[in-house]
Amino acid sequence: EAGVAQSPRYKIIEKRQSVAFWCNPISGHATLYWYQQILGQGPKLLIQFQNNGVVDDSQLPKDRFSAERLKGVDSTLKIQPAKLEDSAVYLCASSFKGGAGTEAFFGQGTRLTVV
Amino acid sequence: AQSVAQPEDQVNVAEGNPLTVKCTYSVSGNPYLFWYVQYPNRGLQFLLKYITGDNLVKGSYGFEAEFNKSQTSFHLKKPSALVSDSALYFCAVRSYGNNRLTFGKGNQVVVIP
Repeated sequence: EAGVAQSPRYKIIEKRQSVAFWCNPISGHATLYWYQQILGQGPKLLIQFQNNGVVDDSQLPKDRFSAERLKGVDSTLKIQPAKLEDSAVYLCASSFKGGAGTEAFFGQGTRLTVV
Repeated sequence: AQSVAQPEDQVNVAEGNPLTVKCTYSVSGNPYLFWYVQYPNRGLQFLLKYITGDNLVKGSYGFEAEFNKSQTSFHLKKPSALVSDSALYFCAVRSYGNNRLTFGKGNQVVVIP
């Protein structure tokens, strides 16, 4: 079974530039998550989709971050404009369903450096 | 608000010795608890979870965890550590009615040959 695919693996941009990350979840997984992992901290949920609908985006900085999952499969996360504090690893995860007892499967992540 | 505490930054253990990584949680209602492991430049890998039932949960790679409701803990254990177990370990919690998976800050485990 193929895992969660993310691209790119690494990205370096200057502050105020824009960047986009792509994620393809495990086939058949209805729930997709984007997490931000700052160095030395645990992952923090940015947004959760159930199919193509948003379930939780309460921790997404909506003035600069946006995400979409138009066809209920793959997803993109965009930052515009980027700030220095956005430097982090952005992890995409998916699960078969969104229930509380369901484990999520993570991709390798995209390491973003904002200079 | 739900939260997870992993009190130790780093756990050092000799190869072959028992390994314990501590986790305590705070939620409203019944918890759903998870352990993940992260190797360098890799995503998080699921190890095990507690939903209900037996307080001792067995997972991948010989790991197990014990749920203790009175102490609100979910410590990860392995009877005999391997050098290859050196990694970053994260405890996470959800609760019924709060579907957000909340992670602790992680524990670096170093297994010394």
